Amino acid sequence: GAGVSQSPSNKVTEKGKDVELRCDPISGHTALYWYRQSLGQGLEFLIYFQGNSAPDKSGLPSDRFSAERTGGSVSTLTIQRTQQEDSAVYLCASSAGAAYNEQFFGPGTRLTVL
Amino acid sequence: SQQGEEDPQALSIQEGENATMNCSYKTSINNLQWYRQNSGRGLVHLILIRSNEREKHSGRLRVTLDTSKKSSSLLITASRAADTASYFCATALIKAAGNKLTFGGGTRVLVKP
Repeated sequence: GAGVSQSPSNKVTEKGKDVELRCDPISGHTALYWYRQSLGQGLEFLIYFQGNSAPDKSGLPSDRFSAERTGGSVSTLTIQRTQQEDSAVYLCASSAGAAYNEQFFGPGTRLTVL
Repeated sequence: SQQGEEDPQALSIQEGENATMNCSYKTSINNLQWYRQNSGRGLVHLILIRSNEREKHSGRLRVTLDTSKKSSSLLITASRAADTASYFCATALIKAAGNKLTFGGGTRVLVKP
């Protein structure tokens, strides 16, 4: 079946604007993860969903960042009042949910905050 | 902070040669995974090795895990130009909910034709 998809693939926004990034996981995958990759920080975990709940939000860098997941499927990562340091590639991954399962990554959304 | 540190940061080899990269980590893990990334976008899963496993093979890839030394290695045999990419190790910690991954800094591999 289809892999993890993300939209948009690229997003350029002005400082202070809000952005929404979308992730469509692999069908049937109960676990969903958001990561971001930036030059200075490498690949960082942001948040993990099991179903529609988020047991681990420890990686969200500030309260400007939030995420939700509905219907156990699509997830949206929202960044409010974007700052230049938010510029990064935001990666979504899903897995079947068991402890030893690999995570399948989407192509990412490249966010540029001007 | 990053759990894993990878060595070397960059590697340049000729096609047909083997490429070896290493990953060290700090705390106890459930499993360790290797990923490949082309052009700074999506990560492709290569191999998952569990904490009770010592070696795993997949095609031209061989991964070892030494939990006593908290280290892993990825060997790519008979490299091809298409293997040019960045390679990341990622650990799933025992105490981490949901198997979230902590990534190393990556090794950039260039395979010259």
